[in-house]
Amino acid sequence: AQSVTQPDIHITVSEGASLELRCNYSYGATPYLFWYVQSPGQGLQLLLKYFSGDTLVQGIKGFEAEFKRSQSSFNLRKPSVHWSDAAEYFCAVGNTNAGKSTFGDGTTLTVKP
Amino acid sequence: DAGVTQSPTHLIKTRGQHVTLRCSPISGHKSVSWYQQVLGQGPQFIFQYYEKEERGRGNFPDRFSARQFPNYSSELNVNALLLGDSALYLCASSGMARDSANEQFFGPGTRLTVL
Repeated sequence: AQSVTQPDIHITVSEGASLELRCNYSYGATPYLFWYVQSPGQGLQLLLKYFSGDTLVQGIKGFEAEFKRSQSSFNLRKPSVHWSDAAEYFCAVGNTNAGKSTFGDGTTLTVKP
Repeated sequence: DAGVTQSPTHLIKTRGQHVTLRCSPISGHKSVSWYQQVLGQGPQFIFQYYEKEERGRGNFPDRFSARQFPNYSSELNVNALLLGDSALYLCASSGMARDSANEQFFGPGTRLTVL
């Protein structure tokens, strides 16, 4: 069975500081990996996705993520956080059919001024 | 272009009642998935429909059912509501292209409160 673990429930960073959100997955085949962001009361917005190829993927809003097969990880990074980045972040794993994705329980990001 | 739309936005029901949630996918998308997001947790997969056929079902009781219409819109039905059914219900659509993996696009969700 596939699963996703986001070890950090809540992270606080200062505006302008760098950010790394951790994601570990368990999947029996080649995983398709996603990071989503959710603002309060809103749906999910896709930040980036990894299907194959270059293991460092670039997304929207200045985010990037690196796929490390040996560590079963897909960590999300941003070099300089903005106050508007405060939100809930979800990592998800699936196969070619993204409509059956398995999500982690999310990491809440707070940005200090 | 309109994104995924869901109705209603909010809904309050009492235990034992029935509820119907509606979703309209992005134009041209033939796949619709439903997720339940309980407060403090990630979305949990409930159903996927493609071309009006069920393509997958998550670990939810038979009180949950869904269907997809010829215009690819979808309904999620929940019978005999329990307090634990209180959640944000998310609908997502995707294109299901044959030659590439697909991403899904989420609607804003329906917030269901069961009293």
